[in-house]
Amino acid sequence: DAGITQSPRHKVTETGTPVTLRCHQTENHRYMYWYRQDPGHGLRLIHYSYGVKDTDKGEVSDGYSVSRSKTEDFLLTLESATSSQTSVYFCAIRKGGLKTGGSGANVLTFGAGSRLTVL
Amino acid sequence: QQQVKQSPQSLIVQKGGISIINCAYENTAFDYFPWYQQFPGKGPALLIAIRPDVSEKKEGRFTISFNKSAKQFSLHIMDSQPGDSATYFCAASGRGAGGGSNYKLTFGKGTLLTVNP
Repeated sequence: DAGITQSPRHKVTETGTPVTLRCHQTENHRYMYWYRQDPGHGLRLIHYSYGVKDTDKGEVSDGYSVSRSKTEDFLLTLESATSSQTSVYFCAIRKGGLKTGGSGANVLTFGAGSRLTVL
Repeated sequence: QQQVKQSPQSLIVQKGGISIINCAYENTAFDYFPWYQQFPGKGPALLIAIRPDVSEKKEGRFTISFNKSAKQFSLHIMDSQPGDSATYFCAASGRGAGGGSNYKLTFGKGTLLTVNP
């Protein structure tokens, strides 16, 4: 999907265990995002990054941390997974700019998703 | 606090009919309104987008209608086809405190569209 790879694609884990999801891009985009998708809630932003080591919280950041040590990788970590974190997680990169919708256009391209089940 | 409200939650349309999905927003700082289409097992993909300086944008069978005064925008799918069956999300983003883009998209809750043959 447009140079974005998420891993793992599927994971089943137990409550209290740590989990790390990885998002890898090949196009050197500055902005990367983690969203979660749940029935009845749509897509909700967890964290996003605007550069190496530069990250900020989204609307549902509690229980999650992120890291970006390289431009191409954005990691999402659940330090101690809970059942409420069972969800499908999507990584996205921003392709906005003058050529793709005008200044300020947040054109996001999403990965294929990582389905996480916490038992 | 839901910044983008989307309706209906689900929609069933016959082949050849018109599908209409509506969204409303409160934040007047929003200045970019995209629609995303998601097929089962896939990530959402940008379908069409509009800025508030125009009232309508059309791309093939897909049209966005935008009403700035009412703070509403809608997606119209003309001649709906079974292949259009998917979940559709409206979204919005706008200016941050400094006047530049805040680089975040806020999504509606989604509409599951089913087009019967």
